[in-house]
Amino acid sequence: SAVISQKPSRDICQRGTSLTIQCQVDSQVTMMFWYRQQPGQSLTLIATANQGSEATYESGFVIDKFPISRPNLTFSTLTVSNMSPEDSSIYLCSAGPVSGELFFGEGSRLTVL
Amino acid sequence: GESVGLHLPTLSVQEGDNSIINCAYSNSASDYFIWYKQESGKGPQFIIDIRSNMDKRQGQRVTVLLNKTVKHLSLQIAATQPGDSAVYFCAVGNTGGFKTIFGAGTRLFVKA
Repeated sequence: SAVISQKPSRDICQRGTSLTIQCQVDSQVTMMFWYRQQPGQSLTLIATANQGSEATYESGFVIDKFPISRPNLTFSTLTVSNMSPEDSSIYLCSAGPVSGELFFGEGSRLTVL
Repeated sequence: GESVGLHLPTLSVQEGDNSIINCAYSNSASDYFIWYKQESGKGPQFIIDIRSNMDKRQGQRVTVLLNKTVKHLSLQIAATQPGDSAVYFCAVGNTGGFKTIFGAGTRLFVKA
């Protein structure tokens, strides 16, 4: 199993600013992912965070808007850039083996005014 | 691409009854299926999984059934308890693609 810590847990931001969310896993994991979850909705995969290389983004998500870093096997960051109210959401970090159970952080609830 | 859908957005059951939550998926190449439970304010939590070489798997009070012919997945919860109240997501993965795609979610209400 893995314990995932995310911070901040919540934040209120102004339009046009950027926020970086950190994700720390308590053990080395192969895969790390970032998801977005709108209130009352399902999880949408933003990207796969690849260690030491550029993240793999899903359709509709681009690096300029959501830059991701993963410098090692236990840490990743997601930045939400040039925020607008439409970016208000819960951002979830997850980690796990290839094709296996995913462990999730508690999420970072972002509100953009 | 993969799409995953659920038949019912909400399900209300009496405490002690059995619950059945259904899920349909579209990609016949999917070979790994997972159910997650999400309580309010928390991240999803793994419940049970099943691989495509099986059609049934049982855990503690939960059973997952997989019908690959019609691309349907179900989660059965026996003797549903108030603590089972949550949103349940089915998720689909592929050993070749690594990523996991989530379905729409079903909110389970357990009436005492």
